[in-house]
Amino acid sequence: DAGVIQSPRHEVTEMGQEVTLRCKPISGHNSLFWYRQTMMRGLELLIYFNNNVPIDDSGMPEDRFSAKMPNASFSTLKIQPSEPRDSAVYFCASSLGPGNQPQHFGDGTRLSIL
Amino acid sequence: GNSVTQMEGPVTLSEEAFLTINCTYTATGYPSLFWYVQYPGEGLQLLLKATKADDKGSNKGFEATYRKETTSFHLEKGSVQVSDSAVYFCALVLQGGSEKLVFGKGTKLTVNP
Repeated sequence: DAGVIQSPRHEVTEMGQEVTLRCKPISGHNSLFWYRQTMMRGLELLIYFNNNVPIDDSGMPEDRFSAKMPNASFSTLKIQPSEPRDSAVYFCASSLGPGNQPQHFGDGTRLSIL
Repeated sequence: GNSVTQMEGPVTLSEEAFLTINCTYTATGYPSLFWYVQYPGEGLQLLLKATKADDKGSNKGFEATYRKETTSFHLEKGSVQVSDSAVYFCALVLQGGSEKLVFGKGTKLTVNP
């Protein structure tokens, strides 16, 4: 079975550039989550969707961050403009939905903003 | 609020040693509890879970028991292997509420041959 697929695996870009991270959840999963992981702050939930609708975006740092889920098989996380402090590993995860369902994580995108 | 506290690492053990990683939680409702493992360069993988008091989750030789009276979910393994070297995260989610997982900060385990 294909797991959660994220692209790119690595991204290096200069400050001020737009960055777009992509995620394909597991087929049949109804919930999708975006996380950020840093040494200082650990693992933080940025936003999650259920049935393509954003449910909780309280973790989105600021207006420079936006996330979309145009259909059940694709989501994007965009940073515009990017800043060095956005450097982190960004994970996407998906689950079958509410009811103690485990979340399945992708391998992450390692983002470096110079 | 809801929070998870894990023992700070790193933890270094020799192969075949006994492992305990402590995890305690606070929750405003009734939580389900999880242990996730992250191998280098990879995402998190579910290791085990428990959804009610006194439940024991187990997988790959790891075990954890949901203790409501002590609000704990400690991870144990009787004999670790080099391949168990990873970062371990304890997490909770409130039942019947948001799907938002609350993670501990993670404990890095290194097992030496």
